[in-house]
Amino acid sequence: SDELTQPPSVSVSPGQTASITCSRDKLGDKFASWYQQKPGQSPVLVIYQDNKRPSGIPERFSGSNSGNTATLTISGTQAMDEADYYCQAWDSSAYVFGTGTKVTVL
Amino acid sequence: EVQLVESGGGLVQPGGSLRLSCAASGFNFSKFWMHWVRQAPGKSLVWVSRIYSDGSTSATAGSAKGRFTISRDNTKNVLYLEMNSLRAEDTAVYYCATGGCGGDCLESWGQGTLVTVAS
Repeated sequence: SDELTQPPSVSVSPGQTASITCSRDKLGDKFASWYQQKPGQSPVLVIYQDNKRPSGIPERFSGSNSGNTATLTISGTQAMDEADYYCQAWDSSAYVFGTGTKVTVL
Repeated sequence: EVQLVESGGGLVQPGGSLRLSCAASGFNFSKFWMHWVRQAPGKSLVWVSRIYSDGSTSATAGSAKGRFTISRDNTKNVLYLEMNSLRAEDTAVYYCATGGCGGDCLESWGQGTLVTVAS
């Protein structure tokens, strides 16, 4: 399966909005999920089926997926949101992860 | 509360074998697809393998196909990954995870176990 491309890093000021993109041809035809991974910890699912939040995930996390790009948006970013974020899609019986984006809260 | 505890990692020589285990608790294990995902140091996540809830069907990523075998024991609530012909590039933290979201996502993750392939 083709790779999912993400920007290596995104910087955001506390309280501002961070947007992380995930790109691949016709990604909008698939469901996209997003995972947060803090240093030394396991990944945590934060968005699934493009825009749904699992129980316990704050409302400031939202998602969209259309065309060739899925986007994770963190509104009112907090210091605790500093982490690596990975997108993921299911395609032809294989699960593909994105290249990862490090979000830094300055 | 979902708990997934991996074990079995360690140092192994190139060409060697290792069996990883993932002990599951806090949920109805026999109803869930299960996955293995790995992460090399400083790298992204890479899906390795998935098995259906009843163990009838599995799928494995190309890089591991023919060398790695996923299996499960629903009577013991344990997921396994048998790894053979290990290579240096298999060095990674291996996570087990539950399938979810109608099959599209990986819902809950274990803490991982480190596999190092080196001489």
